[in-house]
Amino acid sequence: DGGITQSPKYLFRKEGQNVTLSCEQNLNHDAMYWYRQDPGQGLRLIYYSQIVNDFQKGDIAEGYSVSREKKESFPLTVTSAQKNPTAFYLCAGGGGPLNTGELFFGEGSRLTVL
Amino acid sequence: QQQVKQSPQSLIVQKGGISIINCAYENTAFDYFPWYQQFPGKGPALLIAIRPDVSEKKEGRFTISFNKSAKQFSLHIMDSQPGDSATYFCAASKRGNEKLTFGTGTRLTIIP
Repeated sequence: DGGITQSPKYLFRKEGQNVTLSCEQNLNHDAMYWYRQDPGQGLRLIYYSQIVNDFQKGDIAEGYSVSREKKESFPLTVTSAQKNPTAFYLCAGGGGPLNTGELFFGEGSRLTVL
Repeated sequence: QQQVKQSPQSLIVQKGGISIINCAYENTAFDYFPWYQQFPGKGPALLIAIRPDVSEKKEGRFTISFNKSAKQFSLHIMDSQPGDSATYFCAASKRGNEKLTFGTGTRLTIIP
């Protein structure tokens, strides 16, 4: 099995707690992305990284943080500063030796704030 | 600021019919236009994509039509099947950058 692996699939959090979502890839993608999906709003970009130890804010970065210490991993932390964190989070990878413009998505992590 | 507008939000089509989903974009720097298909509880997967040097691309029952002057593109699903029931997203990106801007999605339901 391979590709983009996200964990956990489901996560519950109390208000005021930080939570970290894992994203690992074995496809040698240079770039990795975090999107948030809400009903009726499509996929909105949170953060992306095109190279190790570098990342850029997307359209809705407030209340989130990321790191890219190694090529294979791009974890997302949802902090207590995120006002409405309940959502479906999707990690994706792209680029590398076979760069076609396509993004490859994981199966997502559903976060619910209680 | 929504750079890619998608319609309709939901669509019901009879089995065997043609499903049509439309998208419009604003940024003329976009030069890659993919469509993604998403089943419930799963991540999106690339269905078909087009670049602006052609006006149409067909893969099996799926066709993208592209109108550069109108800044519009559409997905046509011929002979729609119940297995096509899913959410479809159009997207766009600029040359050399896979950072995709997505439309808001269309929930397609194919009824017998």
